[in-house]
Amino acid sequence: EPEVTQTPSHQVTQMGQEVILRCVPISNHLYFYWYRQILGQKVEFLVSFYNNEISEKSEIFDDQFSVERPDGSNFTLKIRSTKLEDSAMYFCASSEATGTEEKLFFGSGTQLSVL
Amino acid sequence: AQKITQTQPGMFVQEKEAVTLDCTYDTSDQSYGLFWYKQPSSGEMIFLIYQGSYDEQNATEGRYSLNFQKARKSANLVISASQLGDSAMYFCAMREAPNTGNQFYFGTGTSLTVIP
Repeated sequence: EPEVTQTPSHQVTQMGQEVILRCVPISNHLYFYWYRQILGQKVEFLVSFYNNEISEKSEIFDDQFSVERPDGSNFTLKIRSTKLEDSAMYFCASSEATGTEEKLFFGSGTQLSVL
Repeated sequence: AQKITQTQPGMFVQEKEAVTLDCTYDTSDQSYGLFWYKQPSSGEMIFLIYQGSYDEQNATEGRYSLNFQKARKSANLVISASQLGDSAMYFCAMREAPNTGNQFYFGTGTSLTVIP
């Protein structure tokens, strides 16, 4: 089955540094998402992306965050100046369409640790 | 109000027994989808089963079935014949009618431990 791939699987960074999390969605999917999960807590929506622009973003997705689809395959999440509270598992997801029956295909996640 | 509520933070089940994980949802939409995902300790999110709001029959996928009670707004996951590999976090999620964001709403999850 096709899958969403994320790199790196683990990222350790110093507070205040910039990080870029990378994702390759499933090739025929048009809708892309980032979610995050702080250890032991619920999965939280960050942002959705379609047609090269943000469709919706949550309150978490402030000016420190940005997303980009630099080419036809990659989808990146950039955190400009990381904070301790950004430590979390970050999941990329994609879907083919937006019907209520459309499941999200998740990547394996990037565990971000901010020191 | 929470869109998805999972009231069981942790559950234990004996191997080979069945277990029900509870999920209630809140929406005023007529069209919505309900999903269950499994998250093993390795961290990935694995899709298990889907139920559409208009589906009259409960969804089944192998050992997984979804007990859908629309009037009560509940979508409980039933795992039959539990196996040790079923030990994981289980998340209930909902997708409402297409909107600009098309986001999923997740519950807080239930940690299931299967006891040999």
